[in-house]
Amino acid sequence: EADIYQTPRYLVIGTGKKITLECSQTMGHDKMYWYQQDPGMELHLIHYSYGVNSTEKGDLSSESTVSRIRTEHFPLTLESARPSHTSQYLCASSPTGWETQYFGPGTRLLVL
Amino acid sequence: GESVGLHLPTLSVQEGDNSIINCAYSNSASDYFIWYKQESGKGPQFIIDIRSNMDKRQGQRVTVLLNKTVKHLSLQIAATQPGDSAVYFCAENIFHSGNTPLVFGKGTRLSVIA
Repeated sequence: EADIYQTPRYLVIGTGKKITLECSQTMGHDKMYWYQQDPGMELHLIHYSYGVNSTEKGDLSSESTVSRIRTEHFPLTLESARPSHTSQYLCASSPTGWETQYFGPGTRLLVL
Repeated sequence: GESVGLHLPTLSVQEGDNSIINCAYSNSASDYFIWYKQESGKGPQFIIDIRSNMDKRQGQRVTVLLNKTVKHLSLQIAATQPGDSAVYFCAENIFHSGNTPLVFGKGTRLSVIA
């Protein structure tokens, strides 16, 4: 079982607030990812990182930003939350080599 | 462009029957494939993977078949149980292209009828 953690699990917040979603993994994986997913729907890659100080934008345009200062930590920040950001955010990590991603439990975000 | 898709968005199966979930991919250069299971309220869980040098791989009650000729991937679940009810995603990757993330399909919702 993968050791990847996300906090908070649920968040309800007002429009315009700044939020940071946390993701940590204890497996020493170099690669980490953020996906946005509406319940039961397809996964959209929004950011990824292949190592410390490396970040890339994914396929889905996002107003969020990420940082990768430590191998185990990959936080995602929304500077000004909007109702259109309401969704589930999934974090994943993968070891060097074959791209087998292991997912965290997700953060469900509701912006009012 | 490359895409990974599933033929059916939903699949209903009687408990005890075998389930077959299909996935088509368009990039013939893809050489690594994974099936994930996502239960309600949880993140996707790795089920089984297969590399392009194989056409079949078996796990516990699951089998993945890869047909590179028609670019088709399937997941077979034997003796389907209520706990198998979930959304199943296929994903592909081109390992030898360097650092590129997985490409996920749209998902198939499997419902098991007791």
